[in-house]
Amino acid sequence: EAGVTQSPTHLIKTRGQQATLRCSPISGHTSVYWYQQALGLGLQFLLWYDEGEERNRGNFPPRFSGRQFPNYSSELNVNALELEDSALYLCASSLATGRGYEQYFGPGTRLTVT
Amino acid sequence: DAKTTQPPSMDCAEGRAANLPCNHSTISGNEYVYWYRQIHSQGPQYIIHGLKNNETNEMASLIITEDRKSSTLILPHATLRDTAVYYCIVRVDAGNMLTFGGGTRLMVKP
Repeated sequence: EAGVTQSPTHLIKTRGQQATLRCSPISGHTSVYWYQQALGLGLQFLLWYDEGEERNRGNFPPRFSGRQFPNYSSELNVNALELEDSALYLCASSLATGRGYEQYFGPGTRLTVT
Repeated sequence: DAKTTQPPSMDCAEGRAANLPCNHSTISGNEYVYWYRQIHSQGPQYIIHGLKNNETNEMASLIITEDRKSSTLILPHATLRDTAVYYCIVRVDAGNMLTFGGGTRLMVKP
């Protein structure tokens, strides 16, 4: 069974540009989560999508947005990039909402803003 | 979600059992205990989770105290590949996100 996949692996952008990161969940998983891991900081929850709807978002500004497509894949968009947006962005998927459903993570996209 | 406390780092000899403790004294009755690990520069990997009873799978065992205020993750025969940061997380289903703390950096040494 294929795991969670993310693209691109690495992304280099300059300040003010926009970045688009993509995630394909494990087949059958309907929930997709996005996390940010900045250097020296822990994993911070960004967004949660389920059945095409945004269900929850973390403490991030509105320039972080995303969507989930009918095939449950997801896209994270970061507008007006700032230097501090440089981080590893991780996507995870799970079977459904509710307790007891573990999340499976992809390898991440490393975004570098110069 | 309940706050967790883990030692920042631990060492373990290869082939020996690694016992990673976690305190979650404010855990409520409907919160599960989850363990994940993150090997350097990779995405976190789910290990195991439990509510009240001890749990075991092919990767590890999870021992939860009777009052549920603490738990221990046991890797029965640690290998060098088990060197990673281990995260203990407690959560309910509301919001469904995982809240990661600092974790324990486990170093398995030959």
